[in-house]
This record gives sequence, C-alpha cells and structure tokens, in this order.
Amino acid sequence: DGGITQSPKYLFRKEGQNVTLSCEQNLNHDAMYWYRQDPGQGLRLIYYSQIVNDFQKGDIAEGYSVSREKKESFPLTVTSAQKNPTAFYLCASGLSYGYTFGSGTRLTVV
Amino acid sequence: GDSVTQMEGPVTLSEEAFLTINCTYTATGYPSLFWYVQYPGEGLQLLLKATKADDKGSNKGFEATYRKETTSFHLEKGSVQVSDSAVYFCALDISKNKLIFGAGTRLAVHP
Repeated sequence: DGGITQSPKYLFRKEGQNVTLSCEQNLNHDAMYWYRQDPGQGLRLIYYSQIVNDFQKGDIAEGYSVSREKKESFPLTVTSAQKNPTAFYLCASGLSYGYTFGSGTRLTVV
Repeated sequence: GDSVTQMEGPVTLSEEAFLTINCTYTATGYPSLFWYVQYPGEGLQLLLKATKADDKGSNKGFEATYRKETTSFHLEKGSVQVSDSAVYFCALDISKNKLIFGAGTRLAVHP
C-alpha cells in the first residue's frame, strides 16, 4: 500500500545535539512538507519541497534544515540552534487538494 | 494575510448528538477549503473538501458547505459516535500548494 513512513515514532535529544527525522513516501508525489504541532496549536509549516533538489522555508524554518536528494525522501534535521524543539513533527506529501500525512515523530529534549 | 479561525474546544457531546464546529477564514482570491481529522497519536487524514463557493463536501456522515458570503466552512454531523472523538482541523489552500491550518478543535463524544 502507498503511504508515508515517518521514523522514529519517538525521539529524545540531548541539549546541543542535532537529530534527523526521517520521512519516506511511495506515492510518487513531487511535493513534500514538514509541519510542527504544539499542544493546543495548529500546524506550522517548517519547510516544503515542490521538486527534487529544491526546497523553500516555511513560517518557522529557523533552527531546522532539510534536503531533497530523492523524490521519495525528505529528511528534517533539528539543529542545536532550535531553542525549543520539543514538539510533534508531521511530514506530508501531495498537493493541497489532498495531502497524505505520516503518523508523526514526537521529539523530546532531555 | 490568509488565516483560518476555528471555535475553541473541547467540544463535549453525548453519542447521537448533533455536531457543529465553526470555521471562518480570511483569504485573498478563491481558496479551496478542507477539514482534516487527527486521531490520538496519529497524523492527519483528509475528511472532506470544497473547491468553490456553494460546494458541499461530505464524507462519513460529516458535511461542510463553502459559504463565500460569510467566509465560513462549518463542519456538521447529524449524529456523532464515540469513534468520532478526535481533533478536527479546518484548512485553506493558498498559492504554491501550501495549506494554512486552524488551531484545531478537540471533540469528545461520550456514551
């Protein structure tokens, strides 16, 4: 079955560490997105990519980085510059007429 | 700028009650409108959508009508079930295929 796979489901990061969240899709979608979700808040766009080897900053890109070397993959790195990284991270693909979301990664700073 | 405003939750209902979750938007042009649902610990799923004024989206007993005159896209269901308990997000499509989401409304249905 086609879909989006995010891994790991839970991730713990120490202060000052970079961590990378994986997002893989087999839907043959060109566009992929990363959102951050905080309790009681909506989804905020971190980065998006409309095509391989190209990506754009969203509304809250500071402290994050991405790459898009393959159509299927859009990993997100949370760097040490992100001061408040504890959140639920959601990856999506497709066009706005119908995104498909992954099941998310919950990142906690310890 | 473009934005989506949803009613604050939580919304608590008894099984078989009528549901309305309000959503209003601000946008330039003619956006498409969406409702997504998020079950605990999961990602979002597309529930329904409408692409132009007066369109009605429907799915699984849920409905929403695109009202341009009131810039609204309220979600309704005639008889909710315990399994409908989730967080519901209203969203609109802006240029370059980017969705803007509301803050979400938590629905709790009890037997």
